[in-house]
Amino acid sequence: QSVLTQPASVSGSPGQSITISCTGTSSDVGGYNHVSWYQQYPGKAPRLMIYEVNNRPSGVSNRFFGSKSGNTASLTVSGLQADDEADYYCSSYTGTSPGWLFGGGTRVTVL
Amino acid sequence: QVQLVESGGGVVQPGGSLRLSCAASGFTFSSHGMHWVRQAPGKGLEWVTYINFNGRDKFYADSVKGRFTISRDRSKSTVFLQMNSLRPDDTALYYCARDFNWAYDYWGRGTLVTVSS
Repeated sequence: QSVLTQPASVSGSPGQSITISCTGTSSDVGGYNHVSWYQQYPGKAPRLMIYEVNNRPSGVSNRFFGSKSGNTASLTVSGLQADDEADYYCSSYTGTSPGWLFGGGTRVTVL
Repeated sequence: QVQLVESGGGVVQPGGSLRLSCAASGFTFSSHGMHWVRQAPGKGLEWVTYINFNGRDKFYADSVKGRFTISRDRSKSTVFLQMNSLRPDDTALYYCARDFNWAYDYWGRGTLVTVSS
């Protein structure tokens, strides 16, 4: 099973918006709406931020927005804040050898 | 509140075995699928395996297929991961996570597995 493709790093200034991409194939991201996003601080467990492409769990800020076009999903963080600085991972269900995949992770830096 | 507590990690020699446990509380265990996800030191997340709510459906990553087995005990609200033929590249922090709409909504703190001679 291959890893979904994410940029290694993305940065932005406070108040700006950033977008993290997650590229897969028609067997995973493009074939299902089972895409989710996770935020992870160093030494901590991941936290679910988006599920089913564009749904936010209770307690997650509406500054986090998920979307998908074809084989690429995206996470947009608007109004960037200092505590948004973390690693972000996408995940998708895959119908190939059924299971789940993760992206390689994106380090978000707030300048 | 939902709690997931992993245990059973440790140091094991290549070719050895370990059994991880994940004790769940604060929710109806029999209504949710469960996952194991691992993270090698300084690396990204890797999905390992999934078991559905009643234990009948199990999926595995290619990297562990044939070596790892997931199971669950409803009476103990616990998920297990039996790991055999361990290799150095299995060294990682192993997280237990609850399935929610094809995502992982609650995570434990993880248990560290180190495979080394």
